[in-house]
Amino acid sequence: DAKTTQPPSMDCAEGRAANLPCNHSTISGNEYVYWYRQIHSQGPQYIIHGLKNNETNEMASLIITEDRKSSTLILPHATLRDTAVYYCIPTMDSNYQLIWGAGTKLIIKP
Amino acid sequence: DTGVSQDPRHKITKRGQNVTFRCDPISEHNRLYWYRQTLGQGPEFLTYFQNEAQLEKSRLLSDRFSAERPKGSFSTLEIQRTEQGDSAMYLCASSLMETGELFFGEGSRLTVL
Repeated sequence: DAKTTQPPSMDCAEGRAANLPCNHSTISGNEYVYWYRQIHSQGPQYIIHGLKNNETNEMASLIITEDRKSSTLILPHATLRDTAVYYCIPTMDSNYQLIWGAGTKLIIKP
Repeated sequence: DTGVSQDPRHKITKRGQNVTFRCDPISEHNRLYWYRQTLGQGPEFLTYFQNEAQLEKSRLLSDRFSAERPKGSFSTLEIQRTEQGDSAMYLCASSLMETGELFFGEGSRLTVL
């Protein structure tokens, strides 16, 4: 199973881009990287996922390094509602059993 | 609302009592997952169903825990003889087959006194 390393906490100013890093140096070639977030007292929410190429959707962009050992989730214009814990999760196997770490607590400041 | 719903949202019980949580997944989703989450930690996988079949159970799921999904729709998670260590948020999620995009409910918070 791929291990991940994320900073425990980060701050970002409202309206600025929030860049959340994740190291997953042991990820295997067929493992996707999924990102979720969890706002306080709510269930986790899927954000985005990728394999090799950079991905973008209405919520965020995902940048994966060429060697796939790390990735960065980008929230282009952070708002106060983006304050949450963000989890970077490589899939475990073909059954997509997600293994969750402690994540990064992102605080958006006005 | 067509999302995943869980009931009850909060449950306070005394040690030794049995509790049951219910999860109603998104209707067309084949897979249903149960996770447990304690304060400051990420969710821990407990078990999952593909339709009505329980395909995998974590070692965290002791014999006091049982989960069912009798008709491949809603699921129940029962904890017998609750212990204080069972206090946690119990999360249910559903998905279409073979995707890591899970849709979570709001969770059921259990407090064992």
